[in-house]
Amino acid sequence: EDKVVQSPLSLVVHEGDTVTLNCSYEVTNFRSLLWYKQEKKAPTFLFMLTSSGIEKKSGRLSSILDKKELSSILNITATQTGDSAIYLCAVGGGTSYGKLTFGQGTILTVHP
Amino acid sequence: EPEVTQTPSHQVTQMGQEVILRCVPISNHLYFYWYRQILGQKVEFLVSFYNNEISEKSEIFDDQFSVERPDGSNFTLKIRSTKLEDSAMYFCASSPDSIGELFFGEGSRLTVL
Repeated sequence: EDKVVQSPLSLVVHEGDTVTLNCSYEVTNFRSLLWYKQEKKAPTFLFMLTSSGIEKKSGRLSSILDKKELSSILNITATQTGDSAIYLCAVGGGTSYGKLTFGQGTILTVHP
Repeated sequence: EPEVTQTPSHQVTQMGQEVILRCVPISNHLYFYWYRQILGQKVEFLVSFYNNEISEKSEIFDDQFSVERPDGSNFTLKIRSTKLEDSAMYFCASSPDSIGELFFGEGSRLTVL
């Protein structure tokens, strides 16, 4: 059974801090690892990492895939209150494209 | 920016009733999915749909569930006889290809009483 575990489960920081969120996985036939941000309802796409693209960056957010360690990190620098959300890690694997296995999420709270 | 839209945003139903949740995927996308999230739990895969047929379904997606693409734009999830444990947020997602990222709709919250 595919498995995705995120840590920490929750994190409280102050504006300006840098945070690192972790995701580890066990999947058959790994295809991709995706990070989503979930504020109120829909998960919104942040990054997709694959064997051919193990590092992504967008503004203050960046992510790295470590295929050897079967893990990924999501870094957020200079955090803002608007970064407060649940960050979801999901992994695509197996024989079916688009079937993602999600982690339980990390709840990030950024205080002013 | 194109988005996945879902209706209704919230539906309350009595146990045993049938519900239909509707989704309009992004127009040039070819792969469609339903996921659900029970309150406080992980997002779970239900079913994937491509070329007018189910390509994969999870153990959750039993005979009470069905999906359909009745026309060129809508993608529906039908739950035939709802149970209390079907109460969840149901997310529709679409993807332009088989390996790209999934774009999620805002979700339909189903409450079964």
